[in-house]
Amino acid sequence: DSGVTQTPKHLITATGQRVTLRCSPRSGDLSVYWYQQSLDQGLQFLIQYYNGEERAKGNILERFSAQQFPDLHSELNLSSLELGDSALYFCASSVDWSVSDTQYFGPGTRLTVL
Amino acid sequence: AQKVTQAQTEISVVEKEDVTLDCVYETRDTTYYLFWYKQPPSGELVFLIRRNSFDEQNEISGRYSWNFQKSTSSFNFTITASQVVDSAVYFCALRIQNRDDKIIFGKGTRLHILP
Repeated sequence: DSGVTQTPKHLITATGQRVTLRCSPRSGDLSVYWYQQSLDQGLQFLIQYYNGEERAKGNILERFSAQQFPDLHSELNLSSLELGDSALYFCASSVDWSVSDTQYFGPGTRLTVL
Repeated sequence: AQKVTQAQTEISVVEKEDVTLDCVYETRDTTYYLFWYKQPPSGELVFLIRRNSFDEQNEISGRYSWNFQKSTSSFNFTITASQVVDSAVYFCALRIQNRDDKIIFGKGTRLHILP
């Protein structure tokens, strides 16, 4: 158990819908990262927040957005969902924003878009 | 451009055999970090090791060992006396100290340990 929690574990929805994935980092960690894992794209970095502020952006679509709240939990919002958005979405956290920090991953949310 | 290549898509070995998972990375930066993660069938990603670009010492942790060679841009992972519980997908990753700060994962190697 990494100490990072994600809810829900599974999510099934339809195309065109909007969903919110939630992540709570390990106690004391200030950085939160979001990743998408799909069969064709592998593990892709989406976005990083540090202490409430966006720190780095990866291959995140415009239909996706995220935020980190004052209590440091984070939410990833996915809208206008398409079949291709079906994937495992991971949240990870680290102590700081430093590149040397180890990221600890949550168990993931499996999103299925029908 | 930065890249991580895990050329072995899938490996099967019989229990108790040793197995090495290859990882080759590309970067022009001098300061970077390399990681290995394990993804068992349950799906979570488990951190195994972090190595910075200035530390070429090999590392051993129980049955696991890592060989970092800057000359060949490789960071290989060896499991000695493999066990069925080692069956998983293993990812090598690279993180570079620049504006992006993003972590780049290889495609992963699926390891099957046969009883």
